[in-house]
Amino acid sequence: AQSVTQPDIHITVSEGASLELRCNYSYGATPYLFWYVQSPGQGLQLLLKYFSGDTLVQGIKGFEAEFKRSQSSFNLRKPSVHWSDAAEYFCAVGDFNKFYFGSGTKLNVKP
Amino acid sequence: IAGITQAPTSQILAAGRRMTLRCTQDMRHNAMYWYRQDLGLGLRLIHYSNTAGTTGKGEVPDGYSVSRANTDDFPLTLASAVPSQTSVYFCASSEGSGSSETQYFGPGTRLLVL
Repeated sequence: AQSVTQPDIHITVSEGASLELRCNYSYGATPYLFWYVQSPGQGLQLLLKYFSGDTLVQGIKGFEAEFKRSQSSFNLRKPSVHWSDAAEYFCAVGDFNKFYFGSGTKLNVKP
Repeated sequence: IAGITQAPTSQILAAGRRMTLRCTQDMRHNAMYWYRQDLGLGLRLIHYSNTAGTTGKGEVPDGYSVSRANTDDFPLTLASAVPSQTSVYFCASSEGSGSSETQYFGPGTRLLVL
């Protein structure tokens, strides 16, 4: 069965520091992978997605993610975090007309 | 352009009562979805619809029903609410129904079942 694991429930980084959020997936075929961000009290917004081609994907707000098939991973990165990046981040895999989300990683940003 | 609207914003409901959560999109998207979000579990798909007139079951469909009479509306009904249905419910839509589609989410409905 398809599944997505985000091993870090909470992460705290200092403003200006680099960030990496981990995501591992279980999927039998070529995965369609997504990262979404949820600000407090809001719905989810797409940051980036991967479904073919270059394994390094650029997204909005300066985020990028790298697909590594050998590690079944799709980690999200940002070189320099801003206070406005504080939010919850969800990794997801698409399977035809269904989508499976990880449990989320909550990011806190220290001034 | 409003995107996706959900109503009500929040609701407290007595167990055993019937409740319909409303979802409307103005993007003319073909596919629509209902998720529930619970702490530590992320989002889980309840039901989906690939196009008007069709619906399908997601991961956690029990206790919920949906209909898709037209493109814009996708209501979710709890026929007889139970406390375990306390959650935040998100409606989403996408232009198509494939695995690579971007989903657009509504602001959510917070439901407390007592």
